[in-house]
Amino acid sequence: QVQLQQSGPGLLKPSQTLSLTCAISGDSVSTHLAAWNWVRQSPSRGLEWLGRTYYRSKWSHDYEESVKSRITVIPDTSKNQFFLQLKYVTYEDTAVYYCARSVSGSFHHWGQGTRVTVSS
Amino acid sequence: ELVMTQSPATLSVSPGERVTLSCRASQSLSSNLAWYHQKPGQPPSLLIYDASTRATGIPARFSGSGSGTEFTLTISSLQSEDFAIYYCQQYNYWPWTFGQGTKVEIK
Repeated sequence: QVQLQQSGPGLLKPSQTLSLTCAISGDSVSTHLAAWNWVRQSPSRGLEWLGRTYYRSKWSHDYEESVKSRITVIPDTSKNQFFLQLKYVTYEDTAVYYCARSVSGSFHHWGQGTRVTVSS
Repeated sequence: ELVMTQSPATLSVSPGERVTLSCRASQSLSSNLAWYHQKPGQPPSLLIYDASTRATGIPARFSGSGSGTEFTLTISSLQSEDFAIYYCQQYNYWPWTFGQGTKVEIK
């Protein structure tokens, strides 16, 4: 049974970097069968896919255009986890952030969510 | 960017009733569509993928149909645990996008 456990701070000031961790159990971050994603949810923007990392013959990444200049999704094979880094946060980045495992595009497993607030 | 439109926004239903939710895409998705439900304080949970395949452990009262631009999620007999918000999600085009949701509430 795949489980995703999120960790990371929930309160940031504008211009800081958001860093979240998603620890994987029941699968490997290096699997060829899935991808590892970050999705966020806010009342104003709804559910919004942000980015993913995945391994086939090499590591690859895809990012949503609106955050592409600020986001990095990084695998950590030594601890079977992956990270989200979102630089220069603004109030508009206030949301609940989820990590999720996707198979061919649909999200089969989700982390528990981290409520992130950007406030001065 | 592709636009996903769900209807209705809210549906008031009594337990045991049949429920039909709609998801419309602004461009053809083939069958690359998933349905989720979400209860307060929880992450979304996958119900249906590839438009009509039930996810692991999902009861048979949930069924998905459609292809192209019109999709439907049907709950044959609504149970108390099914009161939630339902989202569709397309994965045919980048970026993957979600509909705005349909809230199924108790009548």
